[in-house]
This record gives sequence, C-alpha cells and structure tokens, in this order.
Amino acid sequence: EDKVVQSPLSLVVHEGDTVTLNCSYEVTNFRSLLWYKQEKKAPTFLFMLTSSGIEKKSGRLSSILDKKELFSILNITATQTGDSAIYLCAVVAAGTASKLTFGTGTRLQVTL
Amino acid sequence: NAGVTQTPKFRVLKTGQSMTLLCAQDMNHEYMYWYRQDPGMGLRLIHYSVGEGTTAKGEVPDGYNVSRLKKQNFLLGLESAAPSQTSVYFCASSRHPLLTGGGEQYFGPGTRLTVT
Repeated sequence: EDKVVQSPLSLVVHEGDTVTLNCSYEVTNFRSLLWYKQEKKAPTFLFMLTSSGIEKKSGRLSSILDKKELFSILNITATQTGDSAIYLCAVVAAGTASKLTFGTGTRLQVTL
Repeated sequence: NAGVTQTPKFRVLKTGQSMTLLCAQDMNHEYMYWYRQDPGMGLRLIHYSVGEGTTAKGEVPDGYNVSRLKKQNFLLGLESAAPSQTSVYFCASSRHPLLTGGGEQYFGPGTRLTVT
C-alpha cells in the first residue's frame, strides 16, 4: 500500500524563523511529488518535483526531492504570519490506475 | 475566471437522505476529481473523471456516485447518507493526466457535510 508520511505533525515558530517540513514516501512506480498549502479552505499548489537534487524555489519557499532516500523537504525562510497553514505533501504513482496519495499534513503556526 | 466552484458550502443531512454536490470549473480542464478530507487522514480520492462522459472509482468510492455529463461539471451523489460520510468534500481539476503533470490540481473551496 502506498504511504506518504509527513513530519512534524504540527509546529509553532516565531515570525522570522526558518522552518523545514519533511515528507517521506513509500510508493510503487513513483512519478512525482507535490506540495500544497491549505489555509482555511482549498489546498493551493506550491511545487511539483520529479527529479532528485533539483531545488524548486518560489520566493521564501523552496523544496527538494531525494529519490534515493525517498523523501522531500519544504523550506520556508523568514516566516511570516501569512505562512500559517497546513502543508500537504502528495505523491503520484503509476500503475493500472495512476494514483495520487496525500499525507496528513503539517500544521504550521507562525506567531508574532 | 472563477476557477473551481462548489455548491453547497455547507449541508446537514439526516441518515438515509440523499443529496448531490455540484462542482464546476471554467478552465476547460479534462480531468476532475472528488476527494474527502477527514481529521487525521489525508485527502482521499472518491471518484474521478478523465473527460466528459467518463468516470472511474478512486480509493473510497462506496456510497457515492458521480456523473460528468458536461466537461465543466462533475457531480457527486450520496444516495443514502450515513454518519460515516460526515466530512469535508473537495472537488479538483487538472489540465493534464496524473502521470504527466496532473498532480498540479486546482481545488474548490469545499463542502462541509454533516450526517446526523
């Protein structure tokens, strides 16, 4: 059974701190890994990673994938209160029917 | 450009009642999905569609039916609601199939359903 595990489950940091969120996976026929940000309602897409070692960056957020060790990290530098959200990791796997498996998320709270 | 919209936003049902959740997207996406999100569990796929007139089962399809009569709409039906179907339901769409970029999905705002 495909599995996506995120850690930590939740995190409280002060504004300006740097945080690292982790996502490990066990899937058959891995194709890509995705990160989403979920504030009050709909998840919104952040990154899609398919190759090891290539950093994806968007402003203060960056992410990298390690296909050998089967994990990804999401870094947020100089955190702001607007970064408070649940961050979801998901993995696409090929098969008879392609699958997208989500982790349970990391809840990040950024305080003043 | 509204993106993905869902109606209703909230609903309370009694056990055994039926209802339909409507999802609409204006991005001309081929691929549409219905998920449920429960505390302590990741988003789980209920049903999906790879184009108008086609539907397929996801991870947790029991108790639900779907239809995609028009490309822009994807309906999720509960024929006889049960308390275990209390959840937040999200619709999503993507331009590409899962294996070639379809993990980049656009989500609707969700429907919070309570079954008593």
